[in-house]
Amino acid sequence: NAGVTQTPKFQVLKTGQSMTLQCAQDMNHEYMSWYRQDPGMGLRLIHYSVGAGITDQGEVPNGYNVSRSTTEDFPLRLLSAAPSQTSVYFCASSSWTGGRNTIYFGEGSWLTVV
Amino acid sequence: RKEVEQDPGPFNVPEGATVAFNCTYSNSASQSFFWYRQDCRKEPKLLMSVYSSGNEDGRFTAQLNRASQYISLLIRDSKLSDSATYLCAVNRNTGNQFYFGTGTSLTVIP
Repeated sequence: NAGVTQTPKFQVLKTGQSMTLQCAQDMNHEYMSWYRQDPGMGLRLIHYSVGAGITDQGEVPNGYNVSRSTTEDFPLRLLSAAPSQTSVYFCASSSWTGGRNTIYFGEGSWLTVV
Repeated sequence: RKEVEQDPGPFNVPEGATVAFNCTYSNSASQSFFWYRQDCRKEPKLLMSVYSSGNEDGRFTAQLNRASQYISLLIRDSKLSDSATYLCAVNRNTGNQFYFGTGTSLTVIP
């Protein structure tokens, strides 16, 4: 029962490096999203997608790119890592169940930029 | 103004106590409401949805007040295992965007 799978779980980057956080879901959910969570800031939406080929910006999109070539995958790219991007990143997918929308999270990716 | 606001706490309560968390939301178009539980260094997990009529799941009771735009979570007979951060979430059903509060930290003390 995989649900939402994120990799890597931990990563240390140097300032200026780029990397991709992978996210995959096996629940056939149309909607996927990326959040970052920082102390005192809660979960903030970075980018989201309502289906394959469709993406849009959330609350804090700067410095991040996403693509959605398949229903299952929604990778998050850090273009040129900055210390301000040190955070915990959660990928999520959501679906309508019983007339309500429910969101499920991956286990998180802990990113440190030095 | 933030979409969702909640008291960060921390709440430190003895075992067996009753504790209540409130959460306010700013957009009256919000349609769905939830409480999530997040353990340290883990992902948020759905605790319960919040229905208009209020709903109960064992020791947990959730209430929605649309007029005042707040949701609440009541935990009765607190257990040590209830220690966690509780996040409220709202969804407008438009674009499927979820908005989360910053979370309220609860520690249940023996």
